[in-house]
Amino acid sequence: DAKTTQPPSMDCAEGRAANLPCNHSTISGNEYVYWYRQIHSQGPQYIIHGLKNNETNEMASLIITEDRKSSTLILPHATLRDTAVYYCIVRATGNQFYFGTGTSLTVIP
Amino acid sequence: EAQVTQNPRYLITVTGKKLTVTCSQNMNHEYMSWYRQDPGLGLRQIYYSMNVEVTDKGDVPEGYKVSRKEKRNFPLILESPSPNQTSLYFCASSLSPTDPQGLIDKSTDTQYFGPGTRLTVL
Repeated sequence: DAKTTQPPSMDCAEGRAANLPCNHSTISGNEYVYWYRQIHSQGPQYIIHGLKNNETNEMASLIITEDRKSSTLILPHATLRDTAVYYCIVRATGNQFYFGTGTSLTVIP
Repeated sequence: EAQVTQNPRYLITVTGKKLTVTCSQNMNHEYMSWYRQDPGLGLRQIYYSMNVEVTDKGDVPEGYKVSRKEKRNFPLILESPSPNQTSLYFCASSLSPTDPQGLIDKSTDTQYFGPGTRLTVL
């Protein structure tokens, strides 16, 4: 099953775009890329997911490379409330979600 | 309000004393799952259930049991808790599991998480 690699931490200035990378080099053709975030010790919150095409919703944009081996989550205008741990997840067969340790994003005033 | 609820939210217990953490969802979701979260290890899946009476092991099932007698409830049972089960536990649910082809209906596969249960085993 495909696993993901993310940087452990990142900073972003308030109001700027936050670009969070994720590598998933062993992803298979029918596996989706999901992004969740966890604010402090609350339950993780769904952000976005996609298969091949770039996706956008009210929270974020997801850019997936053509070979699908990596992706980037973009928060277009980061706010202090976006400070959280962001998880990139590849959906495995058998319905399991594999969460890694994520990227701790700190939005700086 | 659509939600996943867990009880208790906080629990301190002693080694060997059986306990149950309840999880309930009011969204008629088929898929439910339990995770534990430990510092430096992220979220790890304990058990999951694709539907009533169907449960499967996740990555760290040892020391835990689950049951799915009703669609809305998915309790986590620790028959003989040990200190290494001290952790933050999350229950999650989603409308449907992966279809036979492995494709996912984007509108139905979002996982919703409960608020968490912080368990300490002394």
